[in-house]
Amino acid sequence: QVTLRESGPALVKPTQTLTLTCTFSGFSLSTSGMCVSWIRQPPGKALEWLALIDWDDDKYYSTSLKTRLTISKDTSKNQVVLTMTNMDPVDTATYYCARIWFGSSTVSGFDYWGQGTLVTVSS
Amino acid sequence: EIVMTQSPATLSVSPGERATLSCRASQSVSSNLAWYQQKPGQAPRLLIYGASTRATGIPARFSGSGSGTEFTLTISSLQSEDFAVYYCQQYNNWSYTFGQGTKLEIK
Repeated sequence: QVTLRESGPALVKPTQTLTLTCTFSGFSLSTSGMCVSWIRQPPGKALEWLALIDWDDDKYYSTSLKTRLTISKDTSKNQVVLTMTNMDPVDTATYYCARIWFGSSTVSGFDYWGQGTLVTVSS
Repeated sequence: EIVMTQSPATLSVSPGERATLSCRASQSVSSNLAWYQQKPGQAPRLLIYGASTRATGIPARFSGSGSGTEFTLTISSLQSEDFAVYYCQQYNNWSYTFGQGTKLEIK
């Protein structure tokens, strides 16, 4: 059974750095083709992809946010961590982690998601 | 960056009828297209990947088609539980972008 769960602060102040942790089970991020991504959704708005880390520790970022984001993994703990620097009120959103896997001839889409964690940026 | 445009923004359909949702990519994404359903307060649920393959456990009334830049999600006979927001999402060259969503509401 695949599960993912996000954890981190519910409230951060402007200019602070946000650190979120995704703890997962039911799969291994060392398995070839396996990846975990972060996606966010401001209240009442659309989904926005942020970052992805793959089984080989390659990292990919949203073009518009890449200077502020860092994604990393701890395979032994089954965790993926996202940091976002210089937080602003416009970064207020629900942050999700999700799994995606790359097969030999197909890509799964984000097939399992965490329940999301709401982060509010306010002084 | 590839921009995904969904239409219409809101679609009003009666239960039992067919719903057709569209998604257009600003450049070709081949068949690297997924569809998600999201209900209020819930995480998105994967419906379709590879433009036309239903994800595990997704009912057969959901179908996807298209390739390149034009894609369609069809729900053949709407059930009450299908009224939600639907997002398309492309994955191409390690970049992933979502459309702005189509809200499917009861007519």
